[in-house]
Amino acid sequence: EVQLVESGGGLVQPGGSLRLSCAASGFTFSNYNMNWVRQAPGKGLEWVSYISSSSSTIYYADSVKGRFTISRDNAENSLYLQMNSLRAEDTAVYYCARGLVKYNSGWYFDYWGQGTLVTVSS
Amino acid sequence: QSALTQPASVSGSPGQSITISCSGTSSDVGGDNYISWYQQHPGKAPKLMIYDVSNRPSGVSNRFSGSKSGNTASLTISGLQAEDEADYYCSSHTSSSTRGVFGGGTKLTVL
Repeated sequence: EVQLVESGGGLVQPGGSLRLSCAASGFTFSNYNMNWVRQAPGKGLEWVSYISSSSSTIYYADSVKGRFTISRDNAENSLYLQMNSLRAEDTAVYYCARGLVKYNSGWYFDYWGQGTLVTVSS
Repeated sequence: QSALTQPASVSGSPGQSITISCSGTSSDVGGDNYISWYQQHPGKAPKLMIYDVSNRPSGVSNRFSGSKSGNTASLTISGLQAEDEADYYCSSHTSSSTRGVFGGGTKLTVL
């Protein structure tokens, strides 16, 4: 069974930093592209970042570019999101979402974690 | 990157059919066939319902179908059931540097 479990959320002051983790199991993690998607309270989904299976290709939404860094450790079956210079508008539930298997073309997220809440407030 | 445009809400009675639209540009929805749809119940994670415009993942009811014409994609739910009441989001690959975008979401109410 595919499982994605996020952790690392919490309350942080504006300008602060936080590192989110996503532990993957039930599939060959190193074969899949991965993503972070967030959802502000009462709002819609926003794609945040993408990392390819080998970490060779990375993309960011304009809203987080230069502040967030996505990474992965295939040996540990883990995905990360380092968030710096946090702003109130970064307050959201952050989801880890599996993308496509490597070498396949497409854009969708077939498995999602339950999310971790990040609150940016003084 | 602006969000794709979806109606804020749609409604229908049990047994009826509804369609949710998702409008974009030639840089996203109209650019390729990488359109997907997600269902989200309150307090739950999103669930993939349609990928590559019209394909259903294993386990998703055939009451859900997708299509695309030009820069607009659509999700149709036939034979509405109470459990279909949820928020629905479209998503598209984009040719911009950011690569991905979601629609603003549509709240489906089953009357």
